[in-house]
Amino acid sequence: QKEVEQDPGPLSVPEGAIVSLNCTYSNSAFQYFMWYRQYSRKGPELLMYTYSSGNKEDGRFTAQVDKSSKYISLFIRDSQPSDSATYLCALSGTYKYIFGTGTRLKVLA
Amino acid sequence: NAGVTQTPKFQVLKTGQSMTLQCAQDMNHNSMYWYRQDPGMGLRLIYYSASEGTTDKGEVPNGYNVSRLNKREFSLRLESAAPSQTSVYFCASSESEGYNEQFFGPGTRLTVL
Repeated sequence: QKEVEQDPGPLSVPEGAIVSLNCTYSNSAFQYFMWYRQYSRKGPELLMYTYSSGNKEDGRFTAQVDKSSKYISLFIRDSQPSDSATYLCALSGTYKYIFGTGTRLKVLA
Repeated sequence: NAGVTQTPKFQVLKTGQSMTLQCAQDMNHNSMYWYRQDPGMGLRLIYYSASEGTTDKGEVPNGYNVSRLNKREFSLRLESAAPSQTSVYFCASSESEGYNEQFFGPGTRLTVL
């Protein structure tokens, strides 16, 4: 079993839609949960960072962590064509840092 | 600040040729990393350097070597390139190991024929 699973997509949605991106993980030792955004032919950049279970909001983006289910989510409200990118979840703990395979999102104008 | 820079941006090699990918960061970070990114496989760690003077293997180290030249620079060497090493290579850095945000360079697209 992989330590982190992420649906690769691609996911196509119309502009203005609510997008839900998810990852599941198997190791309860992970303590920090992140979402990176990667535009085509660029390096990933940190988008959201959470430590505990619950929700964290930043503008149109909400990161949700459920440690009991080992499930993390990223919600994008009012999606825009500029949100079209690959979104990678990342998990870290003591001396370990792993990335999901990424979900490719396309927001259609 | 330039952040993390990588050279070259593109490279085509023939099987058996060698090359070195260069990476430098100007954020005074202690830890640096080399990843490869392949379709459907995500980012896989090749080697990392937790601090100046140390290097350790990651998930997929075979066929690669690294050198942490100083605090700023971390190079990745392919001694005898193979088609299986065709990939996009990213260098990243962070303040220290563990949970810190990683800052990525723009990547090197390598094709081995």
